[in-house]
Amino acid sequence: DIQMTQFPATLSASVGDRVTITCRASQSVSSWLAWYQQRPGKAPHLLIYKASSLQSGVPSRFSGSGSGTDFTLTISSLQPDDLGTYFCQQYHSHPFAFGQGTKLEIK
Amino acid sequence: EVQLVESGGALVQPGGSLRLSCVASGFTFSNHWMHWVRQGPGKGLEWISRINPDGATSDFAGSVKGRFTVSRDNARNTVSLQMNSLRAEDTAVYYCGRDPDSSGHYPQFYVDLWGHGTQVTVSS
Repeated sequence: DIQMTQFPATLSASVGDRVTITCRASQSVSSWLAWYQQRPGKAPHLLIYKASSLQSGVPSRFSGSGSGTDFTLTISSLQPDDLGTYFCQQYHSHPFAFGQGTKLEIK
Repeated sequence: EVQLVESGGALVQPGGSLRLSCVASGFTFSNHWMHWVRQGPGKGLEWISRINPDGATSDFAGSVKGRFTVSRDNARNTVSLQMNSLRAEDTAVYYCGRDPDSSGHYPQFYVDLWGHGTQVTVSS
């Protein structure tokens, strides 16, 4: 099974900062990677699919990059509404594992 | 409104059974693969199951294989997760999710629409 590792586990940043979250796969997943945001007490929602494609309705300050085993999610200018936990997920092969999450706090 | 609404979560004893349901609205349910994903208390997300549009094909994570089954009723826009031989480690919020492919022929295996989740607690 493919294992997904995210870092950092926790991130604290200020409004307006550029924020980067990293996700690493234990073997290549090509570009079959998605990113989700989960606000406290809410269900996840999709931000990015196929490593770099922005889901409809998601603000353009979110972007994704990478392929193979190394991926990043970037928020170009952090907003208060971006508080929450971010998860990556590989969908290259079954079972479709998630990373353990990166909790983003606003300073 | 495009949405998924789960129900059926409850407190159940170890070894017991429970059936979760997820009702879809606002889109052509019968064209989409559907997924179940769970989140244990204070934990990350775990993909556990998928089912194809006509219900003939399904897959499970190793942690639930042989104990959980999944089915769907396209006439009622409903997908169900039957959970047997429940264990304490099955305690989680269970989410149903929609696969984004609307043709049914090219599933992507990520989730573009999530339900709000239903709580399952396994404890004596």
